[in-house]
Amino acid sequence: KQEVTQIPAALSVPEGENLVLNCSFTDSAIYNLQWFRQDPGKGLTSLLLIQSSQREQTSGRLNASLDKSSGRSTLYIAASQPGDSATYLCAVRSGAGSYQLTFGKGTKLSVIP
Amino acid sequence: EAQVTQNPRYLITVTGKKLTVTCSQNMNHEYMSWYRQDPGLGLRQIYYSMNVEVTDKGDVPEGYKVSRKEKRNFPLILESPSPNQTSLYFCASGVDRETEAFFGQGTRLTVV
Repeated sequence: KQEVTQIPAALSVPEGENLVLNCSFTDSAIYNLQWFRQDPGKGLTSLLLIQSSQREQTSGRLNASLDKSSGRSTLYIAASQPGDSATYLCAVRSGAGSYQLTFGKGTKLSVIP
Repeated sequence: EAQVTQNPRYLITVTGKKLTVTCSQNMNHEYMSWYRQDPGLGLRQIYYSMNVEVTDKGDVPEGYKVSRKEKRNFPLILESPSPNQTSLYFCASGVDRETEAFFGQGTRLTVV
């Protein structure tokens, strides 16, 4: 059964710093990996989707990488801003014949002005 | 605007009183699914559907029912809610396994 782990569980950084969030998964037979952002009491906003054949995806100040063979992904946030404060969730889609995203428990990011 | 819409957003109910949480998407997506989010447990899939009249269980289906009579709608039914079903519920949709999933804004359910 697929398991997804995110480290650290919480992270506090000063504004302007570059930071890396980590995600690992146990079964490398995935279709894709998706990073989400969740603000308190709100829904999930999709940030980046990486297909299993891709190594990375970029959107603005965000860059996500994928190393499928080692079961790891990182989300790099450049020049962090207070508005980046949120919980970041990593989810992998795997399992032939099903339609399931397996989520990590998230990293809660606080960017201090 | 492309979106997944859940209703209601907030609901407080009593044990045993049947309820339905609706989910509708306007993107003509084949795939839809329901998740619940609990502190310390993260998001877990309840049920999913890969097309009209095709549904299957996720990781935590006990106490829930779903139906997919139309492509756009995927309601979640709690026939006899219990306090352990107090949670934040999310509906999601997507074109297929290889494209991104879109999530609704969530429904916070409290069962007393």
